[in-house]
Amino acid sequence: QSVLTQPPSASGTPGQRVTIPCSGSSSNIGRNPVDWYQQLPGTAPRLLIYSHNQRPSGVPDRFSASKSGTSASLAISGLQSEDEADYYCAAWDDSLDGFWVFGGGTKLTVL
Amino acid sequence: EVQLVESGGGLVQPGGSLKLSCAASGFTFSGSAIHWVRQASGKGLDWVGHITAKANNYATTYAGSVKGRFTISRDDSKNTAFLQMSSLKTEDTAVYYCVRQGGGDWGQGTLVTVSS
Repeated sequence: QSVLTQPPSASGTPGQRVTIPCSGSSSNIGRNPVDWYQQLPGTAPRLLIYSHNQRPSGVPDRFSASKSGTSASLAISGLQSEDEADYYCAAWDDSLDGFWVFGGGTKLTVL
Repeated sequence: EVQLVESGGGLVQPGGSLKLSCAASGFTFSGSAIHWVRQASGKGLDWVGHITAKANNYATTYAGSVKGRFTISRDDSKNTAFLQMSSLKTEDTAVYYCVRQGGGDWGQGTLVTVSS
């Protein structure tokens, strides 16, 4: 089981707004920035959001994120068929020697 | 353009060893920490470990599941990072990615299969 908790699946229709939650603890999300990744089948993960709600160049502003306490969430507005992918949250965990932790991933289906 | 290219994957028997390489270009490799992340087929992302830059003394940290079996190193003169894996187990079977500090750049991955 992953250190960060995500629902295994989510779905929405084109144009809809969907959110994907991510739950952690005081040693990771509670004190460090959260990143979000998108992974299309057969490809490497792509950074979508970093430092809570910053988007790398090329990521549409339909993607946004928020954080409160030890939880975070990714929001996708104006859902498009090309958004169908796996989404992962990630954060540095300060416990022990420190390590990078991921959520188990959420498979987003565009109906 | 930033590029990370992994190589060295393949089929290895349980208990065996394998060394992966990650060749980097398009950025100042010597100033960047490098992570290794793996993904078993149909599963999520699993952090393996990382090595810091020279400025932070090339410090390494590892996930508990690989500590004592895997070793991460780097050769800044060749812009290359390495993942030495030994005492391999079937559960180490996965695609292994190298990732630049910050998480914005990933290699394409190399498949490691541990099977008899």
